[in-house]
Amino acid sequence: DIVLTQSPGTLSLSPGERATLSCRASQSVSSSYLAWYQQQPGQTPRLLMSDASRRATGIPDRFSGSGSGTDFTLTISRLEPEDFAVYYCQQFSSSPHAFGQGTKLEIK
Amino acid sequence: QVQLQESGPGLVKPSETLSLSCSISGVSIRSYYWSWIRQPPGKGLEWIGYISYSGSPDYDPSLKSRVTISVDTSKNQFSLKVDSVTAADTAVYYCARHGPGSAIDHWGQGTHVTVSS
Repeated sequence: DIVLTQSPGTLSLSPGERATLSCRASQSVSSSYLAWYQQQPGQTPRLLMSDASRRATGIPDRFSGSGSGTDFTLTISRLEPEDFAVYYCQQFSSSPHAFGQGTKLEIK
Repeated sequence: QVQLQESGPGLVKPSETLSLSCSISGVSIRSYYWSWIRQPPGKGLEWIGYISYSGSPDYDPSLKSRVTISVDTSKNQFSLKVDSVTAADTAVYYCARHGPGSAIDHWGQGTHVTVSS
């Protein structure tokens, strides 16, 4: 099974700063099969990125994704107040389609 | 527009079977793949499994012996059953849609299920 490890567990930053979130896979994942989701407190997760770097509909361009193989990154160029949330990566290259454990992005 | 709505009991007794349904509107269940995901209180997302209307379901190995996902095309809905539940099965359960080999692009609002006597 492919295990996804996200780091850091918690990231404390201020609005306007740049956030870099990591998702590392225990085995190679095709970039076509790596997604990022955002979950705000008390809300349903929403798709941010598919294919590792393709923004979902309505996602602002301050969000970008990159990576290949076993290392993937979600970058938020300039944090807005609504960006403070929990972020999850998921792979669907092979079963089970596990999620990473999440990175909590909190206001410093 | 695509909408997914979970339904089922919010309270299940230990050792009994948890049964949830997901009603789909705005798209045919014959298109896309359909997943169940859960989130225990204060924890992260856990993938349970998925099904397409024409294919065999696929489950997380840790739950495979207790889980069944099925499709009812006549009702345009799919279902989840988890047998022999314990307190560890207490979670918000989400149904969701995705394409073959692609990300989840629609989620239900989630339904809280508590396992307790």
